[in-house]
Amino acid sequence: AQSVTQLGSHVSVSEGALVLLRCNYSSSVPPYLFWYVQYPNQGLQLLLKYTSAATLVKGINGFEAEFKKSETSFHLTKPSAHMSDAAEYFCAVTSPDRGSTLGRLYFGRGTQLTVWP
Amino acid sequence: DTGVSQDPRHKITKRGQNVTFRCDPISEHNRLYWYRQTLGQGPEFLTYFQNEAQLEKSRLLSDRFSAERPKGSFSTLEIQRTEQGDSAMYLCASSLGGEDTQYFGPGTRLTVL
Repeated sequence: AQSVTQLGSHVSVSEGALVLLRCNYSSSVPPYLFWYVQYPNQGLQLLLKYTSAATLVKGINGFEAEFKKSETSFHLTKPSAHMSDAAEYFCAVTSPDRGSTLGRLYFGRGTQLTVWP
Repeated sequence: DTGVSQDPRHKITKRGQNVTFRCDPISEHNRLYWYRQTLGQGPEFLTYFQNEAQLEKSRLLSDRFSAERPKGSFSTLEIQRTEQGDSAMYLCASSLGGEDTQYFGPGTRLTVL
C-alpha cells in the first residue's frame, strides 16, 4: 500500500510570506498526486493534481506544486500567503496499480496552515 | 451541476443503534467513493463503486458496515450496532472515471454516545 508523509502537522506564516507544505510518498512507480484543502466543517476541495505531465503543477488560489521523482516529493508552495489560506491541507496519492484500484486515494495526516496578520 | 451532496450533515446516536447515510454524486459520475476521517487524521478509504458494482472494500469496513449503490446513482452507507469508535466524519466523493478527479461532498459527522 501507498503511504504519504506530510512533515509538520502545523505551519504558521505571516500574511505575505512564502507558504511551503511538504509531502513525500512511498512508491517506486510514480503515482498520481493531489493536494486538497479543507475548511472547517466542509469537505475537501481540489487545489491541484499531477498526472505525469509537467512536473510543475499550477493550481487554484495561487498554489503550485513540483513533482520530484528522485526525492519522491510533491511539496506545495504559494509565494505570498493570504489570510483566507488558513485551512487544513492534505496531500494524497493514488495506488500505483493502474488497474481497477486506480482512483483509491491514500491521504497524509494533513497540515494545518495558520496565517498571522 | 450541484456537486456531491450528503445527508444528514450531522448524526448523533447512541451506542448499539443503526445509522444510514446517503450520498448523491455528481450526475453522470460513474465512480463513487466512501472515506472516513477521524480527528487529526487524513481521510481513509472505505469502499468504492463503479456504477452499481462495489469493486473494493477496505479492511476498515467491518461486517457492521455495508454500502450500496443500487441503481448506480446515489449510495447509502449503513453502520449497524454503532460503537464509540465509529465516531468520525464520513466523506463521499465521486469521479467520472478511475483516473479522474474525485469531488468530495461536505461529509456526515457521526457522534456515537
